[in-house]
This record gives sequence, structure tokens and C-alpha cells, in this order.
Amino acid sequence: GEQVEQLPSILRVQEGSSASINCTYENSASNYFPWYKQEPGENPKLIIDIRSNMERKQTQGLIVLLDKKAKRFSLHITDTQPGDSAMYFCAASLGDNSKLIWGLGTSLVVNP
Amino acid sequence: NAGVIQTPRHKVTGKGQEATLWCEPISGHSAVFWYRQTIVQGLEFLTYFRNQAPIDDSGMPKERFSAQMPNQSHSTLKIQSTQPQDSAVYLCASSLGGTGNTLYFGEGSRLIVV
Repeated sequence: GEQVEQLPSILRVQEGSSASINCTYENSASNYFPWYKQEPGENPKLIIDIRSNMERKQTQGLIVLLDKKAKRFSLHITDTQPGDSAMYFCAASLGDNSKLIWGLGTSLVVNP
Repeated sequence: NAGVIQTPRHKVTGKGQEATLWCEPISGHSAVFWYRQTIVQGLEFLTYFRNQAPIDDSGMPKERFSAQMPNQSHSTLKIQSTQPQDSAVYLCASSLGGTGNTLYFGEGSRLIVV
């Protein structure tokens, strides 16, 4: 079936440095790519998303890049803070009536 | 706006018993999704309703799992003859429209089958 591969599974960084998470997808028709953050004991929450008509999107210290040729998209967190420590999930979708295909998640640990 | 409400938050059930989980989506949201989350499998899609109609149930184990949405304010996930491998957090999410919209997740129902 369709899969989204997400790497790394665990990422440890020092406070103030940047963190990058990469995802690859299989179906070239995928057109929507959200990122969700899940803090311990909490539910996942959308932090940023990008659609296939864009290559880059930035908001509040988050940058997401989309390379459709390589079928790859990535999340970059600049100037990480301890509050950024959480699980991060990427996902890809074919469209409104198609389910999201999720990556297995990345556990980000930001050390003070 | 109370967000997506899921009950119960925790449920312990004996092997072979039935478990029913409830979800109340955000008012006005037309799409409801059910997911199962475990450490090993991550977020597994189970099923998706839009305007109360089932759209995609490809993630549902066919034999013991069933989901319904009898009205726009309520969806249920029923697991018959529960097995230890059903132990997981079951997450319900709703959105304004289809998959291309923000999913708002509930707090989840943690099911433990002993």
C-alpha cells in the first residue's frame, strides 16, 4: 500500500540549533502535506502544511520544503527551544476524499 | 468551542469483551476520522465519514471493528471480542471538509485489553 517514510525516528539537538525532519512519499499525485506536533499526553495538532502548488512555506520559526520531483518534503525548525520537544508527524494525501498517509513520527528532543 | 470530545478517556476490558468508543466532532465539521495510535505502528487510519456517510473504511479490521455515524454530532467505534493487540489509543478527529483541511483531534480513548 501507500507509505510515507519519515526520518529520523529520533532527533536530539541543542537549544538554539536547527532541526530537520524528512519525509518521502510514493504517489506522485499526492497534493497535500501537513505536519502535526504531538506533545506528551496531548493530541496531535497541525503546525504547518503545504500544498503541491508551492515549494516552500514558512511560519513562526517553521519552514517546510516540498520537492515534487523527488517526492520528498521536509520540516525545518530554526532556533529550537525546549518547548519544541515533541513527536512530529508528516502526512501526505491525494485529495479531499482520500485518507492521509502518515509517517511513523520523529521524536525531537531539544536539550537546554 | 469544546473541541472534539471522546469518551471514555480510559477503558480496561477483558479479552473477548466488547468495547464501544464515542466521539463528538466539532459542531459544523462535516468530516470525522478514526485513528489508532501505538508506539510500534504510529498513527493508523481506520475509517472516515463525510456528512455522516462512510467514505473510506480501508483501515478497519473487517471482522471485529465497526464504526457508525448516526447523526452529525456523534460517531462510535465498536470493537467486538477484544484482543490484547487491540490495546491502543483510539483518536477521533474532525475537520471542516475533507482531508485537505486541518484535522482537530480529540484527547483519545486509551483502550487496554487484559
